[in-house]
Amino acid sequence: NAGVTQTPKFQVLKTGQSMTLQCAQDMNHNSMYWYRQDPGMGLRLIYYSASEGTTDKGEVPNGYNVSRLNKREFSLRLESAAPSQTSVYFCASSDVGQLYNEQFFGPGTRLTVL
Amino acid sequence: SQKIEQNSEALNIQEGKTATLTCNYTNYSPAYLQWYRQDPGRGPVFLLLIRENEKEKRKERLKVTFDTTLKQSLFHITASQPADSATYLCALQNTGGFKTIFGAGTRLFVKA
Repeated sequence: NAGVTQTPKFQVLKTGQSMTLQCAQDMNHNSMYWYRQDPGMGLRLIYYSASEGTTDKGEVPNGYNVSRLNKREFSLRLESAAPSQTSVYFCASSDVGQLYNEQFFGPGTRLTVL
Repeated sequence: SQKIEQNSEALNIQEGKTATLTCNYTNYSPAYLQWYRQDPGRGPVFLLLIRENEKEKRKERLKVTFDTTLKQSLFHITASQPADSATYLCALQNTGGFKTIFGAGTRLFVKA
């Protein structure tokens, strides 16, 4: 099992460019999440998908869109990148309601917007 | 607004000693409190969960306490080893379990 995979690992964009971050999980989890992590700050939830076919805003959704393509895949799109979106992005999955509600995280995508 | 505070200063301890990390929160009544470990350049990894009606939870060398009156959790690593060096994140979840709030983490260095 690969767990949670993310592509790409690194990306440099210019202001105004768009891109999509891809995430896939092979643990048959119902719920998936996108977080960003900035120095000195905790992981902040951007969007989540409680189950296939649903998506909801998290704490910092502005400037992002998401698509739950199927049960395995959850993508994050930046339509017009801004320097404030320079961050490390983590995708995670979980089965809410299971014993520990733990989230399984991918390796992250390091995004720089110039 | 909801807030989680973890000691932003790194914790340096000697191998074999007990490391104690603190997590304080305000304006929140979590159903669950979790601790994660994060190594440089990697995603967080789940360690332990404690529920609001539990005072203490243990797993091998790890111990977590949860005081909902003080709004505080303590995370202990006994007989610490250099391999325990990492950043430890505290996380709060509500009953629904979807919107998890993470602290910024405390960096732990264990010296041999």
